[in-house]
Amino acid sequence: GQNIDQPTEMTATEGAIVQINCTYQTSGFNGLFWYQQHAGEAPTFLSYNVLDGLEEKGRFSSFLSRSKGYSYLLLKELQMKDSASYLCAVKGYGQNFVFGPGTRLSVLP
Amino acid sequence: EPEVTQTPSHQVTQMGQEVILRCVPISNHLYFYWYRQILGQKVEFLVSFYNNEISEKSEIFDDQFSVERPDGSNFTLKIRSTKLEDSAMYFCASSVKGGGTDTQYFGPGTRLTVL
Repeated sequence: GQNIDQPTEMTATEGAIVQINCTYQTSGFNGLFWYQQHAGEAPTFLSYNVLDGLEEKGRFSSFLSRSKGYSYLLLKELQMKDSASYLCAVKGYGQNFVFGPGTRLSVLP
Repeated sequence: EPEVTQTPSHQVTQMGQEVILRCVPISNHLYFYWYRQILGQKVEFLVSFYNNEISEKSEIFDDQFSVERPDGSNFTLKIRSTKLEDSAMYFCASSVKGGGTDTQYFGPGTRLTVL
């Protein structure tokens, strides 16, 4: 079967750092993607990992450990506009994504 | 920057009616997808399309659903006889290639409400 787990909700303070975890069990692995989704809007691409390690992209970094079936998204210098849901998605053998339930992040002043 | 567009943004229909949701993928992309997201739930894959045929589909994509690329730019999702449980946000996505780490770019979605 295919299963992706993320915390349902997280809260952090403006200017802080937050780490959103994702664990997965999927049939096949061709990459793990992170998307940001504001309420009522489309998911927008943030980052992807296919090899183990850390990928940095400005204020966002994503880490992958394939042996542990684990990834995290790190957001630094949080801003109010970062309040959104963060979706972990795994591409298996096929072309489609299996999405996790999403983590709703609230950034407080 | 090129983007995926979808019309309409909101569609209200009566149960049993047919609806067609429209998408214009990014112009140099070859793979097209439909996903849906029921309110408060996760994004779910429906179907992928390449070279004028379905390449993958999920269990959700039953005989009530069909997809078509009627011309060089549009990609449509048809639901033949809508049910209440079809109410959801429907997202179209496209990618340059289908394999490996190719990123999918999502449109703004069509909110379908079935009464």
